[in-house]
Amino acid sequence: DAKTTQPNSMESNEEEPVHLPCNHSTISGTDYIHWYRQLPSQGPEYVIHGLTSNVNNRMASLAIAEDRKSSTLILHRATLRDAAVYYCILRSNFGNEKLTFGTGTRLTIIP
Amino acid sequence: NAGVTQTPKFQVLKTGQSMTLQCAQDMNHEYMSWYRQDPGMGLRLIHYSVGAGITDQGEVPNGYNVSRSTTEDFPLRLLSAAPSQTSVYFCASSYSGFGQTYGYTFGSGTRLTVV
Repeated sequence: DAKTTQPNSMESNEEEPVHLPCNHSTISGTDYIHWYRQLPSQGPEYVIHGLTSNVNNRMASLAIAEDRKSSTLILHRATLRDAAVYYCILRSNFGNEKLTFGTGTRLTIIP
Repeated sequence: NAGVTQTPKFQVLKTGQSMTLQCAQDMNHEYMSWYRQDPGMGLRLIHYSVGAGITDQGEVPNGYNVSRSTTEDFPLRLLSAAPSQTSVYFCASSYSGFGQTYGYTFGSGTRLTVV
């Protein structure tokens, strides 16, 4: 499985945008980039995914580099409820259902 | 629409006991999987299933069995509990799609302590 690299932790001020980076230099052409987050004492929660183009949904935006070797999850206006561990994961589109989790980025929101 | 339901939420076992962690989903998802999460770590895949009657091993399958007799249910069996199996267990499900990909829905977890 292709691996991802994320910073261990980040801090951001409340109500400001947050950019969470992820490197995936060995990504294959069939890999989608998925982001999940895990709030304290909860199961992971799907955030967003994309293949080549930038994606937006109600929770976040995903910016994918042109060479697809890195991506950035963007929270447009962080709230205290966004404090969580964020995981960047690659998932193949050839029916490979496995998600391989790394240690993720622990995001702290400063009031 | 309940999503992914895991039972029980908490369990304490004695070493050597067996038990089954239940997982059910009502979204008609083909894929289901079990993960464990140890303190301060990411999730590790135990077993997964691509449909009823089909299961396969993940990263850490030893000491666990699974079966998938229906689309909805994917129970995880601990054969002879060991303290090393103390962990939080998450069940997850997803649609399948050749040429596409879908997000996973996770349950709220089962916190297991083996003494």
